[in-house]
Amino acid sequence: NAGVMQNPRHLVRRRGQEARLRCSPMKGHSHVYWYRQLPEEGLKFMVYLQKENIIDESGMPKERFSAEFPKEGPSILRIQQVVRGDSAAYFCASSRPTSASQNTGELFFGEGSRLTVL
Amino acid sequence: QKEVEQDPGPLSVPEGAIVSLNCTYSNSAFQYFMWYRQYSRKGPELLMYTYSSGNKEDGRFTAQVDKSSKYISLFIRDSQPSDSATYLCAMTASGGYNKLIFGAGTRLAVHP
Repeated sequence: NAGVMQNPRHLVRRRGQEARLRCSPMKGHSHVYWYRQLPEEGLKFMVYLQKENIIDESGMPKERFSAEFPKEGPSILRIQQVVRGDSAAYFCASSRPTSASQNTGELFFGEGSRLTVL
Repeated sequence: QKEVEQDPGPLSVPEGAIVSLNCTYSNSAFQYFMWYRQYSRKGPELLMYTYSSGNKEDGRFTAQVDKSSKYISLFIRDSQPSDSATYLCAMTASGGYNKLIFGAGTRLAVHP
């Protein structure tokens, strides 16, 4: 029973390159969240997606960052023209589909993708 | 002011000690409160979950929520070296979806 799968676990990019991070949610989960964790800081919400829909991207930087969760395949977090400040651990989390009244706030996290920008 | 405040520590205790970890928050709309444990270089794992005010116990762990004071706590009894990790509090408003707001995390070291 696989948990949330993220890859790559480690990614090194030079400034100006593109980074693509992938996330496959737990079986039966159709809600995906991306969080960013900077050194010595807590996790910061970036984006919430359901299949083929971006529900809340209020935590995403306005430029260079995008996310998608296609009908088939994993969710992708894409960072274009990376800068050193993008170096962080990016965590994906998933949850079951629930109605608002059933929502419990529980998220299941992957192991993270650690991006280093040289 | 951050929405959720958490002392980053580090906190170092001897094996067998009772550990108290705390968070304060400012948003009175928060209804769901969680504690996640994160080992070094790993993803956070849900440890305790509490809805609204009250206590919840699970083995050596007890979570407390005091909504009137906007204060939550996690107690670890008989702490073990395997409890050494970063503990993150998280919370979200009722309904809607799981847009968790996290504290910065408290690093705990339990030494034999």
